[in-house]
This record gives sequence, structure tokens and C-alpha cells, in this order.
Amino acid sequence: DARVTQTPRHKVTEMGQEVTMRCQPILGHNTVFWYRQTMMQGLELLAYFRNRAPLDDSGMPKDRFSAEMPDATLATLKIQPSEPRDSAVYFCASGSTLGNQPQHFGDGTRLSIL
Amino acid sequence: GNSVTQMEGPVTLSEEAFLTINCTYTATGYPSLFWYVQYPGEGLQLLLKATKADDKGSNKGFEATYRKETTSFHLEKGSVQVSDSAVYFCALILYSGNTPLVFGKGTRLSVIA
Repeated sequence: DARVTQTPRHKVTEMGQEVTMRCQPILGHNTVFWYRQTMMQGLELLAYFRNRAPLDDSGMPKDRFSAEMPDATLATLKIQPSEPRDSAVYFCASGSTLGNQPQHFGDGTRLSIL
Repeated sequence: GNSVTQMEGPVTLSEEAFLTINCTYTATGYPSLFWYVQYPGEGLQLLLKATKADDKGSNKGFEATYRKETTSFHLEKGSVQVSDSAVYFCALILYSGNTPLVFGKGTRLSVIA
């Protein structure tokens, strides 16, 4: 089965450090989403792209977060500088505008900022 | 705005018990409705979906019916197994399958033998 691949699976770092999370969407999917999961807030949308163009990043703190799609096979989410409140699980999902297919999720990056 | 409300957990059941997890929604348009399941340490997997009123989604013994009159999409299973222990998320999408999902808070289910 095709899968969304996220790396790293786990990341522990000190506050102030830069964190980069990567996502490889399913081949042929043209829409990529970044969600964040915390105990307090549940699942929140951070940003999403269609055909590599950002459509909505209103869920991201702009001063420290940035999301890009350098090419169709790679999406990145960066935090600089990181803060303890950024500790969460970050999920990438991909989907296609062809047909009525559901979004497919990666297994997430579990981020801990000390 | 658009939102999903689902019952608070955790829910603890004995094996073979009947499961209901309530989900209601508020939407500005005509949404498609989903149940996703998250097993420990994993991402979300689509469990079932319904795209119009009175549709019934079903998968792995789970069912949910899209009720427009009560804006609900309750998840049910007649006989749960230990392997069903997970967190269940109700979600909606407006317009198409490739706009962002709006999730409920999730309901943790624990099934004991």
C-alpha cells in the first residue's frame, strides 16, 4: 500500500534549536496538509498546500514556523527557534483532487522541546 | 463556523460489549463525514465515511449513519474486541475531499478481556 512517510519519527531537542520535519506524500497526491496534535487542543490544522502552492497557513505561528514544498515529493515544516510549547505530534497527510478519495496520514513526528 | 463535538472519553468496555460513540457537527454547508482511528504510536487511519444524508458508512464491523436532521454521525459496533482499543476521531470536510479536515477531540476506547 502507498504510504505517507514522515521523518524523523521522534525528535528531542533543547529550546532555541531549529527543528525540521519532513514528509513524503503519496505519489500522485497533489494536496499536502500539516496537522498538530496535543492533549489540550486535539488535532489542529497548521497549513496546507495544493500543487505545491500554500493555500492556508493561518494555523501556524508565523514568527517561528515555516512550511514549504521544494518539490512534489517533499514537504517540510520548520520551527526556528523552538519552544517547549511546540512539543506535540506533527502529522502530515496527503490527498488528491481526483475523485473523492480520503486523506492519508503519516505516522507523525513526536517532538519534545526541553 | 464548522465544528465537531464527540463524547468525552475514556470509554472502557468488556470484550463483546456494544459500542456507541456519539458525534454531532455544525457546518456552514453540506459536509462529508468521517470516522478516523488512531492506534498507539501510529497516524490516523480512515475507518469509514459518508458523503450524503442517510448514507451508512461501514468497515470492520463499525457503522455510522449520516443523520442530517439531527446533525449526527454516531459510531457503533455490535461486539468490540481488545484489538479495537484506540482513539476514535469524528471529522468533517466541506466541499471536497481535499480541503482540511475538522476534527472532534477524540474518544479513547479501552476494551478489556
